Amino acid sequence: AQSVTQLGSHVSVSEGALVLLRCNYSSSVPPYLFWYVQYPNQGLQLLLKYTTGATLVKGINGFEAEFKKSETSFHLTKPSAHMSDAAEYFCAVSEVGRGSQGNLIFGKGTKLSVKP
Amino acid sequence: EPEVTQTPSHQVTQMGQEVILRCVPISNHLYFYWYRQILGQKVEFLVSFYNNEISEKSEIFDDQFSVERPDGSNFTLKIRSTKLEDSAMYFCASRISSGELFFGEGSRLTVL
Repeated sequence: AQSVTQLGSHVSVSEGALVLLRCNYSSSVPPYLFWYVQYPNQGLQLLLKYTTGATLVKGINGFEAEFKKSETSFHLTKPSAHMSDAAEYFCAVSEVGRGSQGNLIFGKGTKLSVKP
Repeated sequence: EPEVTQTPSHQVTQMGQEVILRCVPISNHLYFYWYRQILGQKVEFLVSFYNNEISEKSEIFDDQFSVERPDGSNFTLKIRSTKLEDSAMYFCASRISSGELFFGEGSRLTVL
């Protein structure tokens, strides 16, 4: 069965500092991996996704993530945090090729705070 | 930009009452989903719907839940007899055949 583990329910960084949000997954088949962001009182917005091909994926708002099969990880990074990055971030996995309709399995989320 | 819209944004109901949450997926999308997020917990898959029938459902989606696409635009989630533990944010999502999931802003359900 698939699962997603996000280390750290809450991460706090200073404005301009590196953002690193960790995600590890388990999947019995090659996964599709996603990062979604949820701003207060809003829905889930796709930041980036990995399906096949290049393992370093660039997304919106300067975020990127690297798929590391050997580590079963898909950590999200941003070189320099901005106040507007404060939100909750969800990592998700989807199995492909097993009759799945593309259902996403989400991690518990990591709330990012950015200090001035 | 096309978006998934959900109504109501917040509903308060008494335990045992029926609730219908409504969603208008993006018009050319073919797959529809409901997820829920209990406060402080992860987003959980409830059900997926394709070609006018349920294609997958989770253990959470028991007999008190049902989904319907009553016309060409709406996609509804009905909870027949709400329980306290049904209090959550419910997200609708849709996608084209192999694209990303687009989520609505959610409907917050509070069961008293």
